[in-house]
Amino acid sequence: ETGVTQTPRHLVMGMTNKKSLKCEQHLGHNAMYWYKQSAKKPLELMFVYSLEERVENNSVPSRFSPECPNSSHLFLHLHTLQPEDSALYLCASSREDRNYGYTFGSGTRLTVV
Amino acid sequence: GQQVMQIPQYQHVQEGEDFTTYCNSSTTLSNIQWYKQRPGGHPVFLIQLVKSGEVKKQKRLTFQFGEAKKNSSLHITATQTTDVGTYFCAESGYSTLTFGKGTMLLVSP
Repeated sequence: ETGVTQTPRHLVMGMTNKKSLKCEQHLGHNAMYWYKQSAKKPLELMFVYSLEERVENNSVPSRFSPECPNSSHLFLHLHTLQPEDSALYLCASSREDRNYGYTFGSGTRLTVV
Repeated sequence: GQQVMQIPQYQHVQEGEDFTTYCNSSTTLSNIQWYKQRPGGHPVFLIQLVKSGEVKKQKRLTFQFGEAKKNSSLHITATQTTDVGTYFCAESGYSTLTFGKGTMLLVSP
C-alpha cells in the first residue's frame, strides 16, 4: 500500500452509466491530483486540489467532475463517457510545496464499452 | 505548462549493462523530480534535484542536474531485471508537476 488508496481497482462501464472513482489518503498531505494515463501517452494532469480548493482544471471535458470534500478524500464522478476515455486513472497527493514528491495510488483501470 | 523532453523513449539492455535516460528543457527548471513505474504499477517518487550541478546517488542509481538547470539525467550502473519499468522526469510548475513521456527500460537476463 502506498498510503494513497484508490477504489475500485478495475471498472467497466457503459457509455450511459454514471460511476465514481474514490481516492483516500491519510498522509497529512494537503494537495491532491487526478491524472489520466493512456497507452503510450504521458501522464496527463486532469485536476488539482490544494487545501480542498480546485486550483487547476486542465481543459477536461465536463463528463468528468471532481469533488474534494476534505483534504483526505478526492472523487472523480464519471457520466456519459466515451470509449476513448478508457485509461488508467491515477490519484496522487503531496505536501503543498511538493518537495517530497507525489505519492500515487495504485490507480483505477477504466474500460468504457 | 512547459514540457520536459525525455530520451530515449525506449531502451533494451542486457543485465549488467549500464543505462542512462535524459531529460531536457528549453527553459530553466526550478527543480526536477524522477519517478519509476513498474509494468502494471503506478509511479513511485525516486528523488528531487534542486541545485545547479547537483548529483545524488541511490545505490546503483545516479541522478544529475545540469549546471544551467535545463537538463537532468538518471544513470543506472549494472542493470538488474528489477530495474525494468518506465522512468519519468517531472518539472515543478506553479501548482503541479508536468511529466515527461518517460523512458521504458527492458532488461534481459
